[in-house]
Amino acid sequence: GEDVEQSLFLSVREGDSSVINCTYTDSSSTYLYWYKQEPGAGLQLLTYIFSNMDMKQDQRLTVLLNKKDKHLSLRIADTQTGDSAIYFCAESKVNRDDKIIFGKGTRLHILP
Amino acid sequence: EPEVTQTPSHQVTQMGQEVILRCVPISNHLYFYWYRQILGQKVEFLVSFYNNEISEKSEIFDDQFSVERPDGSNFTLKIRSTKLEDSAMYFCASREDRRNSPLHFGNGTRLTVT
Repeated sequence: GEDVEQSLFLSVREGDSSVINCTYTDSSSTYLYWYKQEPGAGLQLLTYIFSNMDMKQDQRLTVLLNKKDKHLSLRIADTQTGDSAIYFCAESKVNRDDKIIFGKGTRLHILP
Repeated sequence: EPEVTQTPSHQVTQMGQEVILRCVPISNHLYFYWYRQILGQKVEFLVSFYNNEISEKSEIFDDQFSVERPDGSNFTLKIRSTKLEDSAMYFCASREDRRNSPLHFGNGTRLTVT
């Protein structure tokens, strides 16, 4: 089946790195996404990775994929107050090019 | 950068009334979606739409729901007779007609059913 799991909360000090983890159960070839949702706002696509990749880096964001363990992580370097948001992990299948399935989201709280 | 736009941003309606939520997808996108997020809960898939027909729908998307692409730019979600439990944030999304293209979401419409 399809299920995406994330921890619900993470607190990080400003300037430190944040690491948000996600596990998924579907072993089919898939795309994995990270979306950011600020309070009262929509879903902003941060980055995405195909399952034949191990890592993707984009400025302060690093995505790591361990396909064997079905584990995805998002690392935010030099966390800033503007990074405070809910981060959703999501997956989709290559052959069913329709819906994506979201995790419940991780609320990132920045400590001063 | 082109974006998905949704109107209204907030809709309040009475139980039993019909509501129509509107979306303008990105202009060269051909796949369209509606998702909803009940307050504090996960983002749930409702329906996907391609080539003027529904390609997939979830069990949430019952006979009270319908979607339409009335012209070349709008994509609407209609709820025929709203229930209290329909109160949620409704997100529209669209994507290009190619492999690897991600979904782009609008800012959502907050529906409050009283």
